[in-house]
Parts: sequence; C-alpha cells; structure tokens
Amino acid sequence: TQLLEQSPQFLSIQEGENLTVYCNSSSVFSSLQWYRQEPGEGPVLLVTVVTGGEVKKLKRLTFQFGDARKDSSLHITAAQPGDTGLYLCAGVKAAGNKLTFGGGTRVLVKP
Amino acid sequence: NAGVTQTPKFRILKIGQSMTLQCAQDMNHNYMYWYRQDPGMGLKLIYYSVGAGITDKGEVPNGYNVSRSTTEDFPLRLELAAPSQTSVYFCASRDTELQPQHFGDGTRLSIL
Repeated sequence: TQLLEQSPQFLSIQEGENLTVYCNSSSVFSSLQWYRQEPGEGPVLLVTVVTGGEVKKLKRLTFQFGDARKDSSLHITAAQPGDTGLYLCAGVKAAGNKLTFGGGTRVLVKP
Repeated sequence: NAGVTQTPKFRILKIGQSMTLQCAQDMNHNYMYWYRQDPGMGLKLIYYSVGAGITDKGEVPNGYNVSRSTTEDFPLRLELAAPSQTSVYFCASRDTELQPQHFGDGTRLSIL
C-alpha cells in the first residue's frame, strides 16, 4: 500500500481537453511537490505547495493543496502534446528528510 | 552546470555479480538520495544521506549498501545482484527541505 495514492494511473486525452490528476493520502504532509518525468530522464520539479488550501498556477497548470494537507490535485487546461509525461506527486512530513512519492500518473496528449 | 551525474547509464549484470553505481553532485548539497523506479511506477527510496559520513535506510534497502565519504559522492553498491533488482536507479540531491530534489538521468540496470 502506497502512502500517496495517485489517480488515475493512466490518462489519454485529445489536444485541447482538460485533465485533473489526484494525489491522496491519509497522512499529513508539511509540503507536497509535483514532478514531471519524460522517458529516459529524471523527474523535474513543477511546483511545491506548503500551505493548506494553497493554489498555485504555472501557465496552464493549476496545483491545489488540500485544506488538511493530506491531498493535492493538478489540473491542466487545454492540454498540449508537450504535456505528455509521467506526473509524480511527492510529500515531505514535518521535520522529515525524505520525499515519499506517489505511484505516478502517465498522461498522453494526442494531437 | 553538471548538476547530478550518474554513471554508468546502462549496465547488464549476471545474477550474483556485484557493481557500484556512481553518483556525484557539484552543488554542495548536503542531502543525497538513491531511488529505484520500476516500469510505469513511482520512485521508491533505497538509501539517503543528510551529510558526509551519515547514511540511513529508506523503504527498500535490502540488497544494497551506500557510503558517503565526501559531500560530492554517494555511491550505491549491489553485492549479489538478483533479478528483482532490475530497475532504473536515480540519484538525487537537494539543499533544504523546501528546495527541489535535483535528479540525475538514471542508470538502467538489467540483471539476467
């Protein structure tokens, strides 16, 4: 059982559609990060959220941290083929030195 | 800017062989991490280090060993390779808790 559950595991959509990826846990995290990983490369950080209820926007990507700091979501508006990749959420517990990763959501945006 | 450098990029081992995966970072980060990623999955923490001379186990440490004699280097050792260790291994480093982890490009390891 993973500490951070991501859903869905796989998402295939057409260019221009919207999508949402969820990251849920029964544990509280002091901060949560979202990464994107492309084939043959390491994950690259998209955003860090630290405050319950926080919403951050990065162009067409909107990230939300749940009020109780147990869950997060990533919403992509008008998806483009360049958004294709594996999206990973990762949480840090209070005074923790480690990141706990979710299982990932593989997103495919077809032109 | 080199960042985090992992070598080798690819390796095939026979069951029972040993090898060391190298990881070096030039950002003077104290925190370093080793993960494994199985196909289509997230990352699982093997070992981590909060500074030179200090290492600690992650979620899946069995079958692996690490050392941290310098700030820059954090090698991962497989003593008796097993097929279950076939995976892609990522090394990462970071500065502080809220800073991102910087990942290397990974080492793809197959054990046959």
